[in-house]
Amino acid sequence: GAVVSQHPSRVICKSGTSVKIECRSLDFQATTMFWYRQFPKQSLMLMATSNEGSKATYEQGVEKDKFLINHASLTLSTLTVTSAHPEDSSFYICSARDRASSSYNEQFFGPGTRLTVL
Amino acid sequence: AQSVTQPDIHITVSEGASLELRCNYSYGATPYLFWYVQSPGQGLQLLLKYFSGDTLVQGIKGFEAEFKRSQSSFNLRKPSVHWSDAAEYFCAVGARQGAQKLVFGQGTRLTINP
Repeated sequence: GAVVSQHPSRVICKSGTSVKIECRSLDFQATTMFWYRQFPKQSLMLMATSNEGSKATYEQGVEKDKFLINHASLTLSTLTVTSAHPEDSSFYICSARDRASSSYNEQFFGPGTRLTVL
Repeated sequence: AQSVTQPDIHITVSEGASLELRCNYSYGATPYLFWYVQSPGQGLQLLLKYFSGDTLVQGIKGFEAEFKRSQSSFNLRKPSVHWSDAAEYFCAVGARQGAQKLVFGQGTRLTINP
């Protein structure tokens, strides 16, 4: 149980285009999903917290107009990188919390999406 | 604010040797503590977690970790490593209140010599 998927696993796009990344909880409902960014050989940096049916909460320094997050259902959150540039190239990882858990809601991580902007 | 320090960026051990990865945290109260493992190009897999109770926690793949409040540490150990343990290891701390966000350490890359 507690499987999180991401699609696509890898995407290459041209500079100036927009890219959408999907994060799905496959066997549980997630009221909260998190989006992380990971540069090569570095740690995960939280970008935003996404709550179903409400606006995402962005971490300091993350441009919300550039990284659009939508959490329209209890099993799907999307991250859209708008007008992507080479510096946006990174590994994007999502995680989700199971709303059925009565105690501390552990985060379950997706496999990540490798974005390369040419 | 929460913070996590993993002092060792890269560790190399021989197969069959014991392993200890260090993790120190900064938090105003007792946090939730986690160790994750990441293989190249993959997401994170939870090895173990500490919420409360027994300060020595057992995880998957033969790993264990000990919470030491006096030292603000949560070191990960394994008595005998296998070549398949080569990966990146992340320690993380989670707040007990609010959004319960995770803060990750910088990671320790583990290399196994045959």
